[in-house]
Amino acid sequence: QSALTQPPSASGSPGQSVTISCTGTSSDVGGYNYVSWYQQHPDKAPKLMIYEVSKRPSGVPDRFSGSKSGNTASLTVSGLQAEDEADYYCSSYGGSNNFVFGTGTKVTVL
Amino acid sequence: QVQLVQSGSELKKPGASVKVSCKASGYTFTTYAMSWVRQAPGQGLEWMGWINTDTGNPTYAQGFAGRFVFSLDTSVSTAFLHISSQEAEDTAMYYCARYRDGYYFDYWGQGTLVTVSS
Repeated sequence: QSALTQPPSASGSPGQSVTISCTGTSSDVGGYNYVSWYQQHPDKAPKLMIYEVSKRPSGVPDRFSGSKSGNTASLTVSGLQAEDEADYYCSSYGGSNNFVFGTGTKVTVL
Repeated sequence: QVQLVQSGSELKKPGASVKVSCKASGYTFTTYAMSWVRQAPGQGLEWMGWINTDTGNPTYAQGFAGRFVFSLDTSVSTAFLHISSQEAEDTAMYYCARYRDGYYFDYWGQGTLVTVSS
């Protein structure tokens, strides 16, 4: 199964919003509402930020939101803060007990 | 609180084997599946598969069947990743992650760096 496609980088100034796209196919992103997003700071383990397209785990700020349209999912970070600078990965269930991650996006806070 | 604590870094020669452990605490181990994720240096996340902690049945992602084996010791709430006949390309950080219904990973281990070099 091929990795989901994300832009390599995205950026915004503090207080602004940034949106990251995650494009798959009808066999993964488009076929299931099982898209999740992970934040990874340098030399740290990934952290769950969004699951089942738009649900936020306890403790994740409501500045983080997720959505999906067709084969593309999106993560929006509103009110950017310095600590949001990190790599972000999407993921999706791909059917038949398969799972796939996105290529990753480096978010820079200018 | 839920914690996944992995074993320490490993340096191995090509052809050798390694076993990485992932000890869970703060929940009933057999309630949730455990997954393994690989991250090569400077690269993205790669799902390796998962193991049903209740039945012990593993599922391997494409490319990870054969040299990669998932196992459990439920008596000590620990999952294991065994890699045999290692190659330089196996050099990576390996993470265990609790796998939830809804197909996401809610808790992650701190990672184990495995370096394969002569």
